[in-house]
Amino acid sequence: KAGVTQTPRYLIKTRGQQVTLSCSPISGHRSVSWYQQTPGQGLQFLFEYFSETQRNKGNFPGRFSGRQFSNSRSEMNVSTLELGDSALYLCASSSPLSETQYFGPGTRLLVL
Amino acid sequence: DAKTTQPTSMDCAEGRAANLPCNHSTISGNEYVYWYRQIHSQGPQYIIHGLKNNETNEMASLIITEDRKSSTLILPHATLRDTAVYYCIVRVDNYGQNFVFGPGTRLSVLP
Repeated sequence: KAGVTQTPRYLIKTRGQQVTLSCSPISGHRSVSWYQQTPGQGLQFLFEYFSETQRNKGNFPGRFSGRQFSNSRSEMNVSTLELGDSALYLCASSSPLSETQYFGPGTRLLVL
Repeated sequence: DAKTTQPTSMDCAEGRAANLPCNHSTISGNEYVYWYRQIHSQGPQYIIHGLKNNETNEMASLIITEDRKSSTLILPHATLRDTAVYYCIVRVDNYGQNFVFGPGTRLSVLP
């Protein structure tokens, strides 16, 4: 079974721009969670989607948003990028039968 | 979710068992203990989890003390590829609950 895939793997943007990251979960998984990882703050939870609905949300500003499609694929969007948004963005999926989360390789975003 | 305490770093000789401790003294009865690891710049990799009984899979063994206040992840024969940051997480398995990652333990397997 294919793992979680994330695209793109690397991205360079400038301040003020917006960015959209994509995540395809493991087949059959309906829950998708997003995390941000920075050297200073570590791994932090952004939000979780299940059946196209946001089910849980972390403590991030409204510039960070997401959505999930009927095929469980998910996107997250960051608007008005700031230098501090430079990070590794990780997506994880889990099945209806287990709460174990399986992570993708991440998208590394650099904001200049 | 309960807070966990792990050593910042550990070394282990290649081929020897790596024993990674985790303290979770405030764990509640319905919280599971999960272990993940993250090899440099990759996504975290699930290793193992358990509630109260010891668990073993092809990657590792998880030993949970009887009072559940601490646990140990055992990599029986560490290799250089096991060098990574290891995260111990306790959480309730309720739908919609996120994982809270602490700083973890940086394990260095030495040749």
